[in-house]
Amino acid sequence: EAQVTQNPRYLITVTGKKLTVTCSQNMNHEYMSWYRQDPGLGLRQIYYSMNVEVTDKGDVPEGYKVSRKEKRNFPLILESPSPNQTSLYFCASSLSWGSLGTEAFFGQGTRLTVV
Amino acid sequence: AQSVAQPEDQVNVAEGNPLTVKCTYSVSGNPYLFWYVQYPNRGLQFLLKYITGDNLVKGSYGFEAEFNKSQTSFHLKKPSALVSDSALYFCAVRDINSNSGYALNFGKGTSLLVTP
Repeated sequence: EAQVTQNPRYLITVTGKKLTVTCSQNMNHEYMSWYRQDPGLGLRQIYYSMNVEVTDKGDVPEGYKVSRKEKRNFPLILESPSPNQTSLYFCASSLSWGSLGTEAFFGQGTRLTVV
Repeated sequence: AQSVAQPEDQVNVAEGNPLTVKCTYSVSGNPYLFWYVQYPNRGLQFLLKYITGDNLVKGSYGFEAEFNKSQTSFHLKKPSALVSDSALYFCAVRDINSNSGYALNFGKGTSLLVTP
């Protein structure tokens, strides 16, 4: 089954404790991205990756890091989480970055709470 | 920048009645428009898209959307609503600016409540 898998689904952590949210897709997609969803703001892109070893900032990259060492994986790293990073996070993938008309596939989401 | 707006935070519909969830867009050039649905505790699921061609686009679960260039709208519709359609709906537009990596720009979402 074609899917995007995120882990963990739920995470409660303390301020400053480094964490990683994993994302993996099995569709051989080139393009992957991370979004955060906040009430009243919709989804905002954090980082994206056009292919292996190619990543770039989205609209709200501050406080986040990513890496793309393999095509299927795109982890999101919070080096020093803060309470304003409490949010619902989604990983997404699509066929290629230049395919404007192709839809994105989303993971199930990770609800992160930073206390 | 390419953007979409969803003017309604919530739409309430009785089961069996037609539903419309509104979306307007602002783009330079041809728009690439999408609708997604988010059920509680789930990820976003793709419903349908408009790229080119017929203005009426049919998608999953009986949904359709009408692209209207003169009104810059892309409203989501369904002839007969089901209680199970209750969810959060997002309109999105592809940013054709390569500096954004061709990101999807989402509206703020519209919560649809279908009552029995």
